[in-house]
Amino acid sequence: SAVISQKPSRDICQRGTSLTIQCQVDSQVTMMFWYRQQPGQSLTLIATANQGSEATYESGFVIDKFPISRPNLTFSTLTVSNMSPEDSSIYLCSDKKAGYNEQFFGPGTRLTVL
Amino acid sequence: AQKITQTQPGMFVQEKEAVTLDCTYDTSDPSYGLFWYKQPSSGEMIFLIYQGSYDQQNATEGRYSLNFQKARKSANLVISASQLGDSAMYFCAMREPRLDTGRRALTFGSGTRLQVQP
Repeated sequence: SAVISQKPSRDICQRGTSLTIQCQVDSQVTMMFWYRQQPGQSLTLIATANQGSEATYESGFVIDKFPISRPNLTFSTLTVSNMSPEDSSIYLCSDKKAGYNEQFFGPGTRLTVL
Repeated sequence: AQKITQTQPGMFVQEKEAVTLDCTYDTSDPSYGLFWYKQPSSGEMIFLIYQGSYDQQNATEGRYSLNFQKARKSANLVISASQLGDSAMYFCAMREPRLDTGRRALTFGSGTRLQVQP
């Protein structure tokens, strides 16, 4: 299984600021995904991070609010912009390698917006 | 319509007993994958088991097995010999092609909170 790390593990931020979350995978992967888990809820896909091109966003998520970068096959960032208390969630990155069925998650970033 | 349905918000089981967590799914695509994840209070998502739609045998991983009934569109997780450390949220998920993008991504159920009692 790929080892996925995320930074920061948690943060407390002020309303109106932005936070960039980093996701590092220990080997090259085809696909990287970003998910959000609001308190007491299930996971919702934000976007698929594509290497060398723009991310593909799910309905209800826009690039201006959640810009994503993926400069290479092992690294991606998600920025939560102009934060409000409603953005308080766990943000998780996930990867999938070509030829493998399993899909793994990073440890998550627990974000609290005051 | 819900793609993944978990009808048990919470379950209790005695230590060393077996427990079944229910999951039903809805898809018209013949090629899909079914997953179970464990989420302890720390928040991490731990991959437990995978079942492909074309797999003839039920998947097993140690104490975890997946009871796959394709005609019923169910993919229940069976945990044998429950341990106190099994207390967590459990999520069922399905990977299928998205209608709009064609990309395969996971869709999650609402989860079941399992509590193992000594």
